[in-house]
Amino acid sequence: DTGVSQNPRHKITKRGQNVTFRCDPISEHNRLYWYRQTLGQGPEFLTYFQNEAQLEKSRLLSDRFSAERPKGSFSTLEIQRTEQGDSAMYLCASSPVINEQFFGPGTRLTVL
Amino acid sequence: AQKVTQAQTEISVVEKEDVTLDCVYETRDTTYYLFWYKQPPSGELVFLIRRNSFDEQNEISGRYSWNFQKSTSSFNFTITASQVVDSAVYFCALSVNSGGSNYKLTFGKGTLLTVNP
Repeated sequence: DTGVSQNPRHKITKRGQNVTFRCDPISEHNRLYWYRQTLGQGPEFLTYFQNEAQLEKSRLLSDRFSAERPKGSFSTLEIQRTEQGDSAMYLCASSPVINEQFFGPGTRLTVL
Repeated sequence: AQKVTQAQTEISVVEKEDVTLDCVYETRDTTYYLFWYKQPPSGELVFLIRRNSFDEQNEISGRYSWNFQKSTSSFNFTITASQVVDSAVYFCALSVNSGGSNYKLTFGKGTLLTVNP
């Protein structure tokens, strides 16, 4: 399968714990996006990478959130000291050119 | 700032009926792109169509058709002869260049379509 992959698919954690998600984009896609989708809402933009450079971060990305994309390949999204309000689906998308984003299956986070 | 409004939260139809999903967008940019995505119960977003702001031609793909009207800032989606497999949440989205070639997507809240047998 050469699509965007995300791991884990589901994560249940207790409030206050740290979690890390991984996204493997389609090979050679230099643009990578993270979005968050809460129940009953559309996805909301979190952050954008072009190769290894993080070029934009949404105001939704509080200080507890950090994202990296070392060497411009896979990306990780870490949430520290999770809160119940962080419960959501975290979606990753990669793009070879402007305006063509391919989404992964998402990681569903539940914070108890 | 960009905004997408999908006024229909839920729509329920009987199989073989035609159904139109509405989308209204707001942007001050003259160059922008509009999208429709399908999100089945499995959760993965499936790309359906992309349109740029300079191309107002309507498009048909099988049972799907899209009507783009700049005069009313609308990009509506019609499914003809709906089928149970069309049941999903449908999202309309908008993107502009926000700098650094970042064409992040702004999504509407989605319309849940249920097609009953």
